[in-house]
Amino acid sequence: GAVVSQHPSWVICKSGTSVKIECRSLDFQATTMFWYRQFPKQSLMLMATSNEGSKATYEQGVEKDKFLINHASLTLSTLTVTSAHPEDSSFYICSARLATTDTQYFGPGTRLTVL
Amino acid sequence: AQKITQTQPGMFVQEKEAVTLDCTYDTSDPSYGLFWYKQPSSGEMIFLIYQGSYDQQNATEGRYSLNFQKARKSANLVISASQLGDSAMYFCAMREGRRSARQLTFGSGTQLTVLP
Repeated sequence: GAVVSQHPSWVICKSGTSVKIECRSLDFQATTMFWYRQFPKQSLMLMATSNEGSKATYEQGVEKDKFLINHASLTLSTLTVTSAHPEDSSFYICSARLATTDTQYFGPGTRLTVL
Repeated sequence: AQKITQTQPGMFVQEKEAVTLDCTYDTSDPSYGLFWYKQPSSGEMIFLIYQGSYDQQNATEGRYSLNFQKARKSANLVISASQLGDSAMYFCAMREGRRSARQLTFGSGTQLTVLP
């Protein structure tokens, strides 16, 4: 149980385009999902907390207009990187919180490369 | 101050031996939870084990056990009988009770390499 999927697993796009990444909890409902960014050989950096039915809470320094988060249902959160630039290239990973155990389960991640 | 400190950037262990990965934490909140995750080269974060601040017993999950020393604020992960598949990055993380969003703070990680 507690499986989280993420799609796509990797994406290459041109500078200036937008990319949408989906995060789904497959066998549980998650009122709270989290989006992280990870650079090579580094730890996870929390970008935002996604709450079902309300606006996401962004961490300091994360541009909410650039990283649009939508949590429209209890099993789906999306992250849209708008007007992507090469410096947005990174590994993006989501997690969903299983309320009964208060444990975050992670998706497999999405590797974004912006040319 | 760092909330979660992992002082070992890299560790090597011989197959079938036990290894301890260190983690110390800093919080003034009496209610907190400590987690260990494994991240193989493929990138996914795999939940391994959890310890609550009020838990009396050290957590165990199969070959994983957590050596929880509350007074020293340490939560070391012990992997027994290491296997080649254990080679990965290991992250210690903490959730503090006061953070209503239940966010996790991660350490910098330890790269474990299991030698044949």
